[in-house]
Amino acid sequence: RKEVEQDPGPFNVPEGATVAFNCTYSNSASQSFFWYRQDCRKEPKLLMSVYSSGNEDGRFTAQLNRASQYISLLIRDSKLSDSATYLCVVGRSGGSYIPTFGRGTSLIVHP
Amino acid sequence: GAGVSQSPSNKVTEKGKDVELRCDPISGHTALYWYRQSLGQGLEFLIYFQGNSAPDKSGLPSDRFSAERTGGSVSTLTIQRTQQEDSAVYLCASSSPGTGPSDTQYFGPGTRLTVL
Repeated sequence: RKEVEQDPGPFNVPEGATVAFNCTYSNSASQSFFWYRQDCRKEPKLLMSVYSSGNEDGRFTAQLNRASQYISLLIRDSKLSDSATYLCVVGRSGGSYIPTFGRGTSLIVHP
Repeated sequence: GAGVSQSPSNKVTEKGKDVELRCDPISGHTALYWYRQSLGQGLEFLIYFQGNSAPDKSGLPSDRFSAERTGGSVSTLTIQRTQQEDSAVYLCASSSPGTGPSDTQYFGPGTRLTVL
């Protein structure tokens, strides 16, 4: 089983739709969780951190489920500009800190 | 302020040649990472520098790959005797001093390496 797994998609949704992505992780010792966004031929950029209690940033909501070892990202009222690849990132402390990136989920928002 | 910069932005080389890729992290960031990303693939970790500690080289795919970080700032990734499978985008990221797992990584724009 891969350390961090994501459905590659693409998720093809109309503007205004609500879309959700999940990401599963295998290491129960994982302590930090993030969603990054990567536009085509660009570098990844932090979208939001994921906190144990869940957190919201505008149209974006992130959730963490430690028992089932997954995190989720919900995007409400999708915009054309949300089209990108969303990368799940999982990290753990102890020794050398190296986060693990999922391969990403592609989102295409169409008019 | 300035973000992470990388040079060159594009590099085309012939198989068997050596290449050097440079990364300038954000000033004050003690952690520096190198990744590579092949077309349509996820990020593959290569090497991690943290302050004055010995680097974590566990992701380097072969002994043709090496990296150094001088003065705790600029880093150079060197690939010797390049092969076609080395073609990828090489991304550098840095993060601020802190607890480690909670640090946000800031990425440079990458170097697109093409080995002919």
